[in-house]
Amino acid sequence: EIVLTQSPGTLSLSPGERATLSCRASQSVSSSYLAWYQQRPGQAPRLLIYGASSRATGIPDRFSGSGSGTDFTLTISRLEPEDFAVYYCQQYGSSPPTFGQGTRLEI
Amino acid sequence: QVQLVQSGAEVKKPGASVKVSCKASGYTFTSYTIHWVRQAPGQRLEWMGWINGGNDNTKYSQNFQGRVTITRDTSASTAYMDLSSLRSEDTAVYYCARQGFSGSYSDWGQGTLVTVSS
Repeated sequence: EIVLTQSPGTLSLSPGERATLSCRASQSVSSSYLAWYQQRPGQAPRLLIYGASSRATGIPDRFSGSGSGTDFTLTISRLEPEDFAVYYCQQYGSSPPTFGQGTRLEI
Repeated sequence: QVQLVQSGAEVKKPGASVKVSCKASGYTFTSYTIHWVRQAPGQRLEWMGWINGGNDNTKYSQNFQGRVTITRDTSASTAYMDLSSLRSEDTAVYYCARQGFSGSYSDWGQGTLVTVSS
């Protein structure tokens, strides 16, 4: 199965700053079937990005995704207070679907 | 709007089974696949399996060695996840999620906490 490794484990930033989160796959992700999810404490994950770079419905344009093959990035251009959460990447191009271990974005 | 509403928290003893339900609304149940994903305390999300709402096809993670069964009742627009031979390591929040046309999980249930303890 494809192992996803996210870095850093924790990212400490302030509102208004730019956040860059990384997701590296152990083998190439088929057709860029890579998604990013946000999870706030006590809540279910929420889809942010699919297909490596397409924003899900209702997601603000400060969130952007890029990358292909084995290296992917989620960028949050200007952090808002509600963006401080845990972010997971997921590949769904190969079975079984797998998730990264998460990056905690803290104030 | 799409909603996935899961059944309530469960406490089970080791060796028992648990069945979690996921009631869908706001879309045509038979047109989408439902996945089950769990999250143990402090762990990453783990995919368990899926069921095709239309043709009843299923696929499971090998990590559960035949302990997981996913079913659906189209008349009730509800999917079910049954996990047997529970052990303490199965203590987790269990989520159902709807697969969108992109293949990613566009909608999630609120989660069901299953605690396995003697």
